[in-house]
Amino acid sequence: DTAVSQTPKYLVTQMGNDKSIKCEQNLGHDTMYWYKQDSKKFLKIMFSYNNKELIINETVPNRFSPKSPDKAHLNLHINSLELGDSAVYFCASSQGAVLSYEQYFGPGTRLTVT
Amino acid sequence: RKEVEQDPGPFNVPEGATVAFNCTYSNSASQSFFWYRQDCRKEPKLLMSVYSSGNEDGRFTAQLNRASQYISLLIRDSKLSDSATYLCVPDGGATNKLIFGTGTLLAVQP
Repeated sequence: DTAVSQTPKYLVTQMGNDKSIKCEQNLGHDTMYWYKQDSKKFLKIMFSYNNKELIINETVPNRFSPKSPDKAHLNLHINSLELGDSAVYFCASSQGAVLSYEQYFGPGTRLTVT
Repeated sequence: RKEVEQDPGPFNVPEGATVAFNCTYSNSASQSFFWYRQDCRKEPKLLMSVYSSGNEDGRFTAQLNRASQYISLLIRDSKLSDSATYLCVPDGGATNKLIFGTGTLLAVQP
């Protein structure tokens, strides 16, 4: 069974569209994250939720909105997509919000905006 | 100054070689330190945590020097399967997040 899964794996869309990426973890973890990895391989956190509560909200455009319907799911909705949003988006989870816990990453969603 | 600095490489080494990666971090309040491994077009995976006293896991040895804000990873007897990007990851101190370096690419040649 996949520990952290993301759908879709690939997403190709045009500028201006709205899209969502879904993430699910079956590890029983309390904390989930969204990361963005750009073309220079720089992996940066966007959001973090602990027990469905937003605990980290980095400086990202308002067009990005995370939603955590329950502890096992963290979705990312992106409005009005721009060329610069093209990147790989990774979902991750950890046992708790304490940073000493290992973070388990999903396989990534490769978003291409044309 | 970048939060985490790593030599991007690539490090091209023959099988069986010993290779060392270095990393410096800027936040003196960092408490937790890790090395993650990322294969090409795959997700990062934890390789090992780094403890103050230094720690070893098989062929891998990690060292931390808090005074110099420096972390290292030594890989002995390199295998072809060690080919990957190695990410140095300190925590961001009071920011409550991990800071990922851009990684060092290792290519082990047969």
